[in-house]
This record gives sequence, structure tokens and C-alpha cells, in this order.
Amino acid sequence: DAGVIQSPRHEVTEMGQEVTLRCKPISGHNSLFWYRQTMMRGLELLIYFNNNVPIDDSGMPEDRFSAKMPNASFSTLKIQPSEPRDSAVYFCASSFPGGESDTEAFFGQGTRLTVV
Amino acid sequence: GQQVMQIPQYQHVQEGEDFTTYCNSSTTLSNIQWYKQRPGGHPVFLIQLVKSGEVKKQKRLTFQFGEAKKNSSLHITATQTTDVGTYFCAGPPAYMRFGAGTRLTVKP
Repeated sequence: DAGVIQSPRHEVTEMGQEVTLRCKPISGHNSLFWYRQTMMRGLELLIYFNNNVPIDDSGMPEDRFSAKMPNASFSTLKIQPSEPRDSAVYFCASSFPGGESDTEAFFGQGTRLTVV
Repeated sequence: GQQVMQIPQYQHVQEGEDFTTYCNSSTTLSNIQWYKQRPGGHPVFLIQLVKSGEVKKQKRLTFQFGEAKKNSSLHITATQTTDVGTYFCAGPPAYMRFGAGTRLTVKP
């Protein structure tokens, strides 16, 4: 398996533009997580999907952010309109929860977003 | 969701010195995971602790889970330059909320 695949790796966009980040989880994993990482705020959980259903989106900053998981092999994180403060590295991770003894989360390489 | 607090935020050591980072939760954790992120990289899983008082070792790394399952620690013996990076604890695993991390730098 190629691991968690994110695209694009880098994105530079102008303020006000729509940005779509993409993630392909590891086949067979039924949990998917989107994180945002900045120096100031660390690694923040934005949203968590289980079996394609959003379970916890309390970390989504505001209405400009939306995430979807139309099927088990694909998820998107959209920012519309983008703002300079959205500049960060966005990670996608997937795992296969096993109850009390959960399995590890595998992270993608991340998308470095710069909004100018 | 549950939050975990991690200290210290930064640690700079001389190569060969030991290093410890601590993770604390206000609530009991079903289990806890540790990850390492190299500069410019992504978090990579190191280990999971499940049992109260559990101690696990990976070469120079020793992981402990507190008796009350509310705290955990990672200890590195005789650090090397390859240990550089940020170490995160995360829990509860189902929601994968990370601590702020401890950034370790090692001076050769």
C-alpha cells in the first residue's frame, strides 16, 4: 500500500480563492482525520470521519471550512474563501480502530497551504 | 473532546544527555499513543500503551503509562542527533487529539 496520499503537496493561492485539499486513506481503514498544523497552535484536529460519516467536526474553525468523505477511499477539505490566517500544513490521517486497543494512525505527507 | 497537556514545549540537549517528555490528561485515558515528527515531515507512530503502569522499551526509548492512566512519559537515554524532532502524545486514540508536542534539538 502506498500509504495515505494527499494532494497537492504545496498550494499557493490568493486570499478569497477557494482551496480544495484531497486525501486518499489507506485501503481498509475506516477512520479518517484532518489536522492543521501551525507553529502557534500545534497539531489541531479539524474533523474525524468514521465509516465515511463525520463524527466530530468541533475543530473546524468556521463556516469557511467544509469536509466531505463521499466514499471510503476519498476525502476533501475545502476552504472558501481562503484567508492568510489559513496558511498552515494540513495533514490527513487514517486508521482502523479496534476498540480499546486502537491501531496506529498513518499520516499523509501533508499539504502546505500558503494564502497570500 | 479530551485534551492532553504535554511538557516541556522545547528541550535542547547535548548529544549523549537524556531527555524526557511528559503527557498529562485530566481524565482517564483508555490508551495513549506516541508519535515522532521529524523537521519538515509528518507524524509517525512510535508506540501505544494500554495497561495501567505499563512500561515499554524501544532501544533507547522508554515509554510509561501511569497507574491512573492519566499520564505518560517518554524517556530517551543518551540522545543522538537522529532523535531530533517533535514528540507528540495522543489520546484517546479514537479521536486522536494530540498534545502540543515537545520539540527536541540535539547539539552534537
